[in-house]
This record gives sequence, C-alpha cells and structure tokens, in this order.
Amino acid sequence: RKEVEQDPGPFNVPEGATVAFNCTYSNSASQSFFWYRQDCRKEPKLLMSVYSSGNEDGRFTAQLNRASQYISLLIRDSKLSDSATYLCVVKRNTPLVFGKGTRLSVIA
Amino acid sequence: DAGITQSPRYKITETGRQVTLMCHQTWSHSYMFWYRQDLGHGLRLIYYSAAADITDKGEVPDGYVVSRSKTENFPLTLESATRSQTSVYFCASSSRGGNTEAFFGQGTRLTVV
Repeated sequence: RKEVEQDPGPFNVPEGATVAFNCTYSNSASQSFFWYRQDCRKEPKLLMSVYSSGNEDGRFTAQLNRASQYISLLIRDSKLSDSATYLCVVKRNTPLVFGKGTRLSVIA
Repeated sequence: DAGITQSPRYKITETGRQVTLMCHQTWSHSYMFWYRQDLGHGLRLIYYSAAADITDKGEVPDGYVVSRSKTENFPLTLESATRSQTSVYFCASSSRGGNTEAFFGQGTRLTVV
C-alpha cells in the first residue's frame, strides 16, 4: 500500500462549482500535512498547510482527520485558473512524501 | 536572482554515460532534496541532505550518487545512465525539518536514449 493515496481524477467541473479532493495516508506517525499545486510541466508549489482544527484560505478549505488518517481539500467557486494537479503531501521525520496527485480541469 | 535553480533544464544522454544534474539555492536552507517524477508514480524521493556533508537515501536511490560539500549546492549524478532513469528531476530545499514549506526548482527533463 502506498504511503499516500489520492484519487487521480481527472475531475472535470464547470466554473463556479465546488469540488472536493480526498487523500489517505498509511503511517500514523506522520507529523505534518500539506496540499501542493502543480501546473502542467511546472514545479510543485505549496497551496496550504493542513492543521488538525481545519483551516481556510479564501476559497480553499483543508481538513485533517488523524483518527481516520484522512486529509481533504475543498475548493469553492472554482475558477479556470484552478486547473492543475493537486498533490497531497505528508511529512514524517524530514522528507515530504507525495501522493500521485489529483488532476482538476475547470471548464468554462 | 534569489531562489533555487536547476541546470540543465533539458538533457539528452546516451545509455551508460555519466550525467550530473546541478541544484543551487541562495537561501542557505539546511535541507535539500532530489525527487523524480514519472507518470503513474508521482514524485519519489531519491536522496536528501540535512546539512553540508550529510546525505541520506530516499525511496529510489539506486543508480544515483549525491554530494553536499557546500550548503548551497546539491548535485545529483547518474553514474551510468539507463533508459529507466528518463524522468523529470526536481530539486527542493527547506529551511528546517519542521512544518516548513519546501521550495522546488523548475526541474530538469532528462531523456536517456
């Protein structure tokens, strides 16, 4: 079983839609959690950290459930510019461990 | 410009040749990482370094060598390139091992023919 698992998608949604991505991780010793965004043929960039109490950044909301070892990302009011691959990332000790990513296409 | 830079951006090499991918960061970050990204596998860690002269293996280290004689540089060498090492290679750095952001270089697209 992979350490971080995500639904690869693609998710094709119309502009203005709400879309949710889920991610599970296998190692209960994981310490930190993130969502990264990667545009086509570009490097990954941090979208947001994920905290136990849940956190929001504009249209983006991240949730963490340590008991179920589950992380989610909710995007409200999707924009064309949100089209990208979203990478679920967990950190255990030092290196980041990446999921394979979920591809999102927002359609006009 | 400040940041993390990789060179070359694109490289084509022949099977059996030695290739070195360069990574340079100007932030004096302690940690540096090498990942490779392949379709169907996502980003996989090759090697990482916590400080100068300290390196450690990641998930897929076979066929690769790293060194870190200076904090700002973390070169990755393919000792004898194979076709299976055709990939996009990303270098990253972070200031410490805690809950901090990792910054990625733009990637090196390597093709082994």
